[in-house]
Amino acid sequence: GIQVEQSPPDLILQEGANSTLRCNFSDSVNNLQWFHQNPWGQLINLFYIPSGTKQNGRLSATTVATERYSLLYISSSQTTDSGVYFCAVAESGYSTLTFGKGTMLLVSP
Amino acid sequence: DTGVSQNPRHKITKRGQNVTFRCDPISEHNRLYWYRQTLGQGPEFLTYFQNEAQLEKSRLLSDRFSAERPKGSFSTLEIQRTEQGDSAMYLCASSRRTSGSYNEQFFGPGTRLTVL
Repeated sequence: GIQVEQSPPDLILQEGANSTLRCNFSDSVNNLQWFHQNPWGQLINLFYIPSGTKQNGRLSATTVATERYSLLYISSSQTTDSGVYFCAVAESGYSTLTFGKGTMLLVSP
Repeated sequence: DTGVSQNPRHKITKRGQNVTFRCDPISEHNRLYWYRQTLGQGPEFLTYFQNEAQLEKSRLLSDRFSAERPKGSFSTLEIQRTEQGDSAMYLCASSRRTSGSYNEQFFGPGTRLTVL
């Protein structure tokens, strides 16, 4: 099956700093989603981005499908951005998501 | 759009007991997925339905697990003879499958199962 690798596994930032999270995948995909998991376990949809670039406030994402990677940018980080960020992909021809192991982000005041 | 709901939110049971979880998808979403997440890992796919048809089951889904979606609306996931290794967060997601298109999945808050 498709492999999904996220980096870095852990990230500590000061409030106001910018960061880039990376997601590499091993095969062609028809779906790629970025999620933020809050402390209660809820997965919050950030982006549905199988290709191209999207922006939503301080967050933006880019997927280069031909090179099999996606990037999530967080600018001017806030303490409420803390949590685990997951990348999940659906391999071409399938609809089920395969998740990476996540990036644990801690933003300190 | 009220989002995906799951009940119960927490379940504590003794080893060997049966448990059942319920998921109500976003209305008009014809696809419903079950995932399981253990501590420190990303969610893993268990099974999914399109309307009432169960289209795929993961090898993670042992014969102690059964899922149904009898009228193509809500779904139930039952675990028989629970084991301590079944302790996890069980997540449900739904999406709207349109012809030729794979759509964004939306997740519920999960059911956290603890098997003592």
